Amino acid sequence: ETGVTQTPRHLVMGMTNKKSLKCEQHLGHNAMYWYKQSAKKPLELMFVYNFKEQTENNSVPSRFSPECPNSSHLFLHLHTLQPEDSALYLCASSQGTDWRRGTQYFGPGTRLTVL
Amino acid sequence: GDSVTQMEGPVTLSEEAFLTINCTYTATGYPSLFWYVQYPGEGLQLLLKATKADDKGSNKGFEATYRKETTSFHLEKGSVQVSDSAVYFCALQGGSEKLVFGKGTKLTVNP
Repeated sequence: ETGVTQTPRHLVMGMTNKKSLKCEQHLGHNAMYWYKQSAKKPLELMFVYNFKEQTENNSVPSRFSPECPNSSHLFLHLHTLQPEDSALYLCASSQGTDWRRGTQYFGPGTRLTVL
Repeated sequence: GDSVTQMEGPVTLSEEAFLTINCTYTATGYPSLFWYVQYPGEGLQLLLKATKADDKGSNKGFEATYRKETTSFHLEKGSVQVSDSAVYFCALQGGSEKLVFGKGTKLTVNP
C-alpha cells in the first residue's frame, strides 16, 4: 500500500450505533488530519495530530472522538451521530519540521450515511 | 482571517477547449497556494502548488501562477479532456497555518 488509505470506503449506520473510521499513511509523515466534506460546503478541518499529540480540535461535537496511537494511524470513533453528520470524511497527512506548512496528502475518504 | 474565493460552477466545456478557473485569496504574509482535484467518488489529490510569488505550478497539462500583485492563482489548461471532469479546489496555507479551501468548482468535459 502507498500513500494514505482509509477504511471503510462506505459506511451506513443508525443513530445509536458505534463505529470507527480508520486512516493509515505510508509516507513517513508526522502529522495527520481529519476533514469533513459536506455537500455545498467548504472542507471543514476537524482534528489535527502531530507526533500523536492532538494539536487542534476545531469545535467538533463530542460524538466524534479521534485517536492517534502512532504517527501512521488515525481513527475517528463515532457514537450517537445525527443525520446531518452524513458526509465524506477525509484523512490527510503531512511531513516536515514545520509540519503545519508541509503539503497535505489526502486519502480517498469514507462516505458516511447516518440513518 | 485567511480566505479563498474561486469561481462558482459548474463549468461545462467541450473536449479540447481552453480552461480557466479563477481563484483569488486573502491572507497575511506569504501563503503557499495549491490546487487540489477530486474525481468522482474519490478523495482529494494534490494537482499543483506554488510557494512564492511568480512561481508557476504545473502538472498533467494544468498550470497556475502565483500572482501576489493581484492575489490570484488561476488554474489553466490549454486543451481539456473528458478525463479532466472533476471538482477543483483552490487552497492556501498562510499565517494561520491551516489549509484553507475554496468551495470547489465542478468541471464537466463533454466529448
